[in-house]
Amino acid sequence: DAGITQSPRYKITETGRQVTLMCHQTWSHSYMFWYRQDLGHGLRLIYYSAAADITDKGEVPDGYVVSRSKTENFPLTLESATRSQTSVYFCASSGERDSYNEQFFGPGTRLTVL
Amino acid sequence: DQQVKQNSPSLSVQEGRISILNCDYTNSMFDYFLWYKKYPAEGPTFLISISSIKDKNEDGRFTVFLNKSAKHLSLHIVPSQPGDSAVYFCAAKRGSSGDKLTFGTGTRLAVRP
Repeated sequence: DAGITQSPRYKITETGRQVTLMCHQTWSHSYMFWYRQDLGHGLRLIYYSAAADITDKGEVPDGYVVSRSKTENFPLTLESATRSQTSVYFCASSGERDSYNEQFFGPGTRLTVL
Repeated sequence: DQQVKQNSPSLSVQEGRISILNCDYTNSMFDYFLWYKKYPAEGPTFLISISSIKDKNEDGRFTVFLNKSAKHLSLHIVPSQPGDSAVYFCAAKRGSSGDKLTFGTGTRLAVRP
């Protein structure tokens, strides 16, 4: 199906474990983003990517790693999960550089770190 | 430092009445503003946007107003419907920022039947 998908939708892990959240989009959008949603903070940008092999930090990048070897995929890895990383994570994508296009969001991954 | 602020965490409105959601920003470099709507267990969906060269944009029941001098925007929903009950996020961007959005903390709207 066309669109933007995230997997898994729900994940429970333990402190110190490595976790990878997957994001896949079928529009060939240049830009992809990772946000986390926390009560009282809204949506905060973790990392973003302007194209394959180009990534940059957002507002809250510490403890996260991203890669973008293919345009359609943008995985987010928590190398050593901490309880403070318990959150709902959203992936998004958008079209051309500097255009005023909206971002399209995936359904989210709810991550719990015990 | 919160550059985009939604000072009302919640709003309750009677069905058929007007809902007004407010958003303030501090960064004068922002030149494009968007509203997103979010239902539980779903991702945010784009609702309406406005460029800084305009002061109003209308789409059906939804109108966004921009007051640049006050660094304030508002979303009006008329008439409000129960299906409008959701969390609404205000977001802002700069044209040269590579598409990055800065989001507010959200306002939960409840429309009472």
